[in-house]
Formats: sequence, C-alpha cells, structure tokens
Amino acid sequence: KNEVEQSPQNLTAQEGEFITINCSYSVGISALHWLQQHPGGGIVSLFMLSSGKKKHGRLIATINIQEKHSSLHITASHPRDSAVYICAVRYAGSQGNLIFGKGTKLSVKP
Amino acid sequence: NAGVTQTPKFRVLKTGQSMTLLCAQDMNHEYMYWYRQDPGMGLRLIHYSVGEGTTAKGEVPDGYNVSRLKKQNFLLGLESAAPSQTSVYFCASSYAGLQGPVTTPLHFGNGTRLTVT
Repeated sequence: KNEVEQSPQNLTAQEGEFITINCSYSVGISALHWLQQHPGGGIVSLFMLSSGKKKHGRLIATINIQEKHSSLHITASHPRDSAVYICAVRYAGSQGNLIFGKGTKLSVKP
Repeated sequence: NAGVTQTPKFRVLKTGQSMTLLCAQDMNHEYMYWYRQDPGMGLRLIHYSVGEGTTAKGEVPDGYNVSRLKKQNFLLGLESAAPSQTSVYFCASSYAGLQGPVTTPLHFGNGTRLTVT
C-alpha cells in the first residue's frame, strides 16, 4: 500500500529556532503538497511541488525525487507557527487522489 | 471572498438518524471533495466531483452519498448514521483536478465535527 510517512510526529521548539519537518513516500509521485492545519481546525495549502525547492516568507519546501523525500523548513520560528503540518502526495499513475500523512504537530514556545 | 464554507460546524446525531452537510464555494472551482479526518490517521477521501452533475467514489465512500446539482455546492449525506462515522469532515475545492497534468492548490472549509452516539 502506498503510504506517506511524516517525522517527527510531535515537535516542540523555542521561538527563533530553525524547524525541519520530514515527509517520505514509497513510490514515484507526480506532486507533493504541504498543508497547515491551524489549532482551530482550518486547513491551508502552503506549497505544491514536484521538484526542487519553493520558498514563501519564512517557509521553505524541498523535494528530492530520487530519495522520495521532502522537507518543510521554518526559519526564525514564531509561536504563531504552532500548527499541524500535513504532507500529501499524488502518486504517479494513480487516479489522482491525494494520500495524506498523519501530520506533524508543531508547538513553538515564546 | 468567503472561499469554502461548510455548514454546520458541529452536529450530534443518534445512530440511525440522517443528515446533510453542505459545502459551498465561491471561487468557480470545477473540482470539489469531501474528506474525513480521524485521530491518528491522515485525511481520507470520501467522494469527489469533477464538475456540476458529476460525482465519484473516493477511498472510503460506504455509508455516504453526495450530490452536485450546482457548481458551487457539494452536499454530503448520511442516510443512517453510525458511530463509526464520528469524525471531522472537510470539504475542499480546486481549480484543476488532481488527475490532470497540472495540480492546483486545494482550498479547504473549516470542517464539521460530527458525533454519532
């Protein structure tokens, strides 16, 4: 079964720290999404990527197709970054439905 | 611009009762999706629609029905609720589908927390 594994499951950081969240998948993909779920429950799309690297503000997403691995980095973390970060992939040749990871719960302390 | 709006936000049902969850989007998106989120699991696709008048089954469709009579609305129905359907339900929409060569962002509603006792 094609799965998406995220690590760590939980992460606590001090304000200002550099954060890395990892996502691994099992077979070739056509696209990978990073999502943010706020403590109130709402979900926001952060990035979509199929190769290389994307940056938006303090957030950076990278993907290594050969290693089947993606990372989400947060620079100069802030308490407002506290959320659950979710990785989702679209496997190549699939019907196109996204397979979601279980999420990484990030808590940034002031 | 409201984006994706789900109603209701919370609901408690007794086993065997029925209900309909409404999802409305004002972005003129063709594609709409219903997901459920359960503790310790990733989001799972229940049903989706690639346009007005069309629906298709996702990963976990049993016990649910959907309708897309208008482009902006996607309804999720539970005909006879069961405790296993206790979950948080998310509606999402996208400009382009997940099956095509171009993937566009998903826009999510704020979720509906459903408890079936």
